[in-house]
Amino acid sequence: QKEVEQDPGPLSVPEGAIVSLNCTYSNSAFQYFMWYRQYSRKGPELLMYTYSSGNKEDGRFTAQVDKSSKYISLFIRDSQPSDSATYLCAMTLITSGTYKYIFGTGTRLKVLA
Amino acid sequence: EAGVTQFPSHSVIEKGQTVTLRCDPISGHDNLYWYRRVMGKEIKFLLHFVKESKQDESGMPNNRFLAERTGGTYSTLKVQPAELEDSGVYFCASSLAVIASGRAGPGGNEQFFGPGTRLTVL
Repeated sequence: QKEVEQDPGPLSVPEGAIVSLNCTYSNSAFQYFMWYRQYSRKGPELLMYTYSSGNKEDGRFTAQVDKSSKYISLFIRDSQPSDSATYLCAMTLITSGTYKYIFGTGTRLKVLA
Repeated sequence: EAGVTQFPSHSVIEKGQTVTLRCDPISGHDNLYWYRRVMGKEIKFLLHFVKESKQDESGMPNNRFLAERTGGTYSTLKVQPAELEDSGVYFCASSLAVIASGRAGPGGNEQFFGPGTRLTVL
């Protein structure tokens, strides 16, 4: 079983829709929960991160963590064509004196104009 | 400020050949990471340098992979000899610091990723 599960999509939505992206995880030792956005032929860039269960808002983006269910979500309000990208969830884990990022496979999102 | 850069952007080689990938981290970042994404799979950790020392290389697939970071600046990842299953996108990331406390995560420790090197082994 993978430590982090994420539906690869693709997910197509009309412009202006609310998008919900989700990941589940199995390791209770994960500490930070992050969402990265990756445009084609580019590296992942950090969108949001959170540590605690609950919601965190940043503009049109809301990150939600439910540690009891081991479930995280990213909501995008008023989605725009420029939001079209692959969204990766990632979690941090300390092992061997360092910390690693454990990624989901990414969900490809297309927002149609 | 320049971000993490990687060279080449794309490499096509034949099985059995050698390829060397290069990563230039953000200036001043002591921490440098290599990751790999095989098609259809998630991005996976390969190894972590702190300056010129390997802090953790538990993700390296086998001894055909050799990473170096001489002088604690840029890093190279050599694959010799390359096999078909080595195809994928190799990402490099760098971060400013690793907090010594038990809490590990972004903020001051955010890992900034390069655009990746797409390796195709035929």
